[in-house]
Amino acid sequence: EDQVTQSPEALRLQEGESSSLNCSYTVSGLRGLFWYRQDPGKGPEFLFTLYSAGEEKEKERLKATLTKKESFLHITAPKPEDSATYLCAVNSGNTGKLIFGQGTTLQVKP
Amino acid sequence: ETGVTQTPRHLVMGMTNKKSLKCEQHLGHNAMYWYKQSAKKPLELMFVYNFKEQTENNSVPSRFSPECPNSSHLFLHLHTLQPEDSALYLCASSQRGSGGVDTQYFGPGTRLTVL
Repeated sequence: EDQVTQSPEALRLQEGESSSLNCSYTVSGLRGLFWYRQDPGKGPEFLFTLYSAGEEKEKERLKATLTKKESFLHITAPKPEDSATYLCAVNSGNTGKLIFGQGTTLQVKP
Repeated sequence: ETGVTQTPRHLVMGMTNKKSLKCEQHLGHNAMYWYKQSAKKPLELMFVYNFKEQTENNSVPSRFSPECPNSSHLFLHLHTLQPEDSALYLCASSQRGSGGVDTQYFGPGTRLTVL
């Protein structure tokens, strides 16, 4: 059964304190791994898609990496506006079905 | 309007009511999705529509009835819901291609409360 596990569940950082969020996955055949950001009361906002092990993508203070078993979302020198829940999802078939993890809620304090 | 829009944004209904959620995508996509997001749980796929045809029903109770009249509009008809159906209902759309992996773009959601 396809499964996605994110850790930690919650993370508190001081502004400027870099850290990483983890997404471990078990799928029968990975076709894509997605990172989304979700603010309270809003829908998820697309950040990155990673397709194969070794791939990396960056956007401002965020960098996503992928191995055969997990993905990391590295946050460099975070700011309070980076506070949100970060969701990881995998696509393993042709139906478009995404399997989501529970998310990591990040709080960045000034 | 741009992106994916959903109405209403908030809905309170009794267990005997009938209501509908509406989703519209302005991205020219050919696939649309309904997800349920409950507190402390992962997003849960409910339905998938591909070129207006339902291609996935993730064992959703019959009190939820989807309708996709065209590739830009998606509805979720609700009747005789239970309090445990209270959640954020999210609509998404994507451009399904041949063999490629498509990215899903989400609307802002409808916060549903069942009394």
